Amino acid sequence: GQQVMQIPQYQHVQEGEDFTTYCNSSTTLSNIQWYKQRPGGHPVFLIQLVKSGEVKKQKRLTFQFGEAKKNSSLHITATQTTDVGTYFCAGGSQGNLIFGKGTKLSVKP
Amino acid sequence: NAGVTQTPKFRILKIGQSMTLQCAQDMNHNYMYWYRQDPGMGLKLIYYSVGAGITDKGEVPNGYNVSRSTTEDFPLRLELAAPSQTSVYFCASSPGTYQPQHFGDGTRLSIL
Repeated sequence: GQQVMQIPQYQHVQEGEDFTTYCNSSTTLSNIQWYKQRPGGHPVFLIQLVKSGEVKKQKRLTFQFGEAKKNSSLHITATQTTDVGTYFCAGGSQGNLIFGKGTKLSVKP
Repeated sequence: NAGVTQTPKFRILKIGQSMTLQCAQDMNHNYMYWYRQDPGMGLKLIYYSVGAGITDKGEVPNGYNVSRSTTEDFPLRLELAAPSQTSVYFCASSPGTYQPQHFGDGTRLSIL
């Protein structure tokens, strides 16, 4: 069935380093959403991208939606310990929102 | 505004027992979902509903049942609990197709 692939599965960074997670689909997506799940918590919606080539920023976080609407990325500049958690992308396709498996980010102070 | 409320937060079951996980939302969302999340893994969709009286299977429906008699409530029933059903269960709701989902705090279920 339809899948949304997310890489890397894990990322360990030193505080202050940048971080990027990538999301890829084999088919065109209607939209892409990003969620963050803190350890022991529940997924929390961060942002939605709808347009081809769209770029949105939230403070140190930059979200991109590819021109073909098949891929997306989340980039965090100068990570902080508060960025720790798992980041999920979710792509809209065939009436459903399909979640990637997530990228678990750990930040060493 | 409570959002999505799940009860209980924790539960330990014996193999073969049954239980119902409760989920209620106060945002008047039409869509509701049940996911399970195994340790260190992503979210797997169990069942979803696009409105009262309508339910449909997700990726991993076996061993579970749902009902949606009202817009607010979407209980998940486990019949004959098995150790493979040990997981964290999240309920979520959204206004419609492809709309952002609001998650509850989860139910941590262990079956021994």
